Amino acid sequence: KAGVTQTPRYLIKTRGQQVTLSCSPISGHRSVSWYQQTPGQGLQFLFEYFSETQRNKGNFPGRFSGRQFSNSRSEMNVSTLELGDSALYLCASSLETGGYEKLFFGSGTQLSVL
Amino acid sequence: GENVEQHPSTLSVQEGDSAVIKCTYSDSASNYFPWYKQELGKRPQLIIDIRSNVGEKKDQRIAVTLNKTAKHFSLHITETQPEDSAVYFCAARTYSSYKLIFGSGTRLLVRP
Repeated sequence: KAGVTQTPRYLIKTRGQQVTLSCSPISGHRSVSWYQQTPGQGLQFLFEYFSETQRNKGNFPGRFSGRQFSNSRSEMNVSTLELGDSALYLCASSLETGGYEKLFFGSGTQLSVL
Repeated sequence: GENVEQHPSTLSVQEGDSAVIKCTYSDSASNYFPWYKQELGKRPQLIIDIRSNVGEKKDQRIAVTLNKTAKHFSLHITETQPEDSAVYFCAARTYSSYKLIFGSGTRLLVRP
């Protein structure tokens, strides 16, 4: 079974631009979560999707948005990029069958904002 | 809001010694506590987890303990080996919240 796939692997953008990141979950997984990873801050929860519905979101500004498609693939968008948005963005998928699911992470997209 | 605090941020041990990482969670409704290991340049991977109805769980050299009253849980690694060197993240989840809240991570270095 293929793992969680994130594209692109690296991105370099300038302040003010917008960016879209993509995540393809493991086949059969319907839950996709997004996390921002920065040194010293650990993994900060962005949002979680299940069957195209956002079920929860973290404490990030409205510039951060996401969506999930009917095939469970997910995208996240960051508009009006700021220097502080530079981070590794990880997505994770899970089966979502009862609340104790193991998350399977992708390799992440390393975003650099100049 | 929910918060998970993790200590220490860095930990250096001699090969063969034990390592302990501690976490505290704020939401008393949390019922699931996984631990993830992230090796340098790699994705986080689940190494062990515990549910709120269990006080301790072991898997070979690793164990996790949970104290619901104090809202503490800990990861114990015995007989550490150089390949245990990585960043370890604790996390907590409330069943109905659909989100896993992670601690800030502990960088473990096992010296040969």
